[in-house]
Amino acid sequence: AQSVTQLGSHVSVSEGALVLLRCNYSSSVPPYLFWYVQYPNQGLQLLLKYTTGATLVKGINGFEAEFKKSETSFHLTKPSAHMSDAAEYFCAVSDQRDSSYKLIFGSGTRLLVRP
Amino acid sequence: NAGVTQTPKFRVLKTGQSMTLLCAQDMNHEYMYWYRQDPGMGLRLIHYSVGEGTTAKGEVPDGYNVSRLKKQNFLLGLESAAPSQTSVYFCASSYASGAYNEQFFGPGTRLTVL
Repeated sequence: AQSVTQLGSHVSVSEGALVLLRCNYSSSVPPYLFWYVQYPNQGLQLLLKYTTGATLVKGINGFEAEFKKSETSFHLTKPSAHMSDAAEYFCAVSDQRDSSYKLIFGSGTRLLVRP
Repeated sequence: NAGVTQTPKFRVLKTGQSMTLLCAQDMNHEYMYWYRQDPGMGLRLIHYSVGEGTTAKGEVPDGYNVSRLKKQNFLLGLESAAPSQTSVYFCASSYASGAYNEQFFGPGTRLTVL
């Protein structure tokens, strides 16, 4: 069965610093990979996704992620954190072989941005 | 377009009471999903539907039932609420295509069972 591990339930960075949120997956076949963001008291919004093709994926708000098959990872980065990036971030996977395209979510990482 | 909407936004139930959560989408999506979100556990799939008239169990289906009588609506029912069902419930929908299977989420329903 697939699973997703997000290292660090809380990550704190200073405004302007690099943001790195880690995601590793467990799957026998490379899955579809997603990062979602959740602002307080809101639903989830897609930041970016990897399905096929280029392994470096750019998303909204200056975020990007790189699919590394050898490391079974899909870490999320942003060169310079902004106060508005404070939110909870979820990594999710979907099995390409499953036609229901169900998502398996990690437990989430809350990003805190210090002034 | 409203996207995915959920009704109600908040609800407080007593143990043993029943209720139905309504999810509606106006994007003509084939697939719809119900998740629950609990602190430190991410989102877990309760039930899902790959088309009108079809439903299937997800990871945590016990204590819940669903119906998809119309393509645009997906109902989640709690027949006899328990405190363990206190959670935030999210509905999502997507196209029926692997490469375009981004799920669009509703704003959530916060349910408290006393």
